[in-house]
Amino acid sequence: QQQVKQSPQSLIVQKGGISIINCAYENTAFDYFPWYQQFPGKGPALLIAIRPDVSEKKEGRFTISFNKSAKQFSLHIMDSQPGDSATYFCAAVTRGQNFVFGPGTRLSVLP
Amino acid sequence: ETGVTQTPRHLVMGMTNKKSLKCEQHLGHNAMYWYKQSAKKPLELMFVYNFKEQTENNSVPSRFSPECPNSSHLFLHLHTLQPEDSALYLCASSQAGGGKYEQYFGPGTRLTVT
Repeated sequence: QQQVKQSPQSLIVQKGGISIINCAYENTAFDYFPWYQQFPGKGPALLIAIRPDVSEKKEGRFTISFNKSAKQFSLHIMDSQPGDSATYFCAAVTRGQNFVFGPGTRLSVLP
Repeated sequence: ETGVTQTPRHLVMGMTNKKSLKCEQHLGHNAMYWYKQSAKKPLELMFVYNFKEQTENNSVPSRFSPECPNSSHLFLHLHTLQPEDSALYLCASSQAGGGKYEQYFGPGTRLTVT
C-alpha cells in the first residue's frame, strides 16, 4: 500500500514532442505529489509538485495532471528538448513527511 | 546548487575499511535523510532524522551507522561493507511541520566497495 507505481520505465521522444509519465498510488494518506528530475552524476532536483485538491498544475513546459478518484497522476513535458533527457521520479508524501518514490523513468529526447 | 552538500563525491573502499560520508544543509531545515540509489532500483530510504532525533531506520544493516550532531549536519559511518553496498548515497533535507513536503537532495556520494 506504500508503493508508488510508475510507467513507462524508459521513454524515447523526438524533439518537440510530448513526453508523458504516469504514476499511481494506493495509500489515501498521501497528501502531496512532487516530481523530481535527475541528471547523471547529480542528485534528484524538485521539478514541480501538486496537492490533491487541484486537478492540474502547469509550470512552463511541465504540467502535472492529477486524478484523485483514480489515484493517478502524470507528468507532461510539452515541446520536449534534448536537455530534458534525464530520469524522472514521481513521489507521494504523507503529512507526516513519509516520502515514497516511484522507480523512475529514463527519458531520452532525440534531436 | 540545492543548498545540500555532500563529501566526498566519490569513494572507493575495501571491505575491511572504515569511512564516513558527510552531508551539510544550508537551508535551515530540521529533517535530514539518507537514501541509497542502486542501478534499476527505486530510491531506498535508509534513515530519517527529525529535529535531530532518529525517527526511522528501514531495516538497514548495522554496518551503516548514522549520526546527526545538529540539524545542519548528517554523517553516515561505514564499516565492513559488502560489494553489494556499492551505490550512490544521497542525502536530503526538508522542513518538517512547515506544510511544504519537499525534499532537497545533495549531489550524492558514489561509493564503490572492492
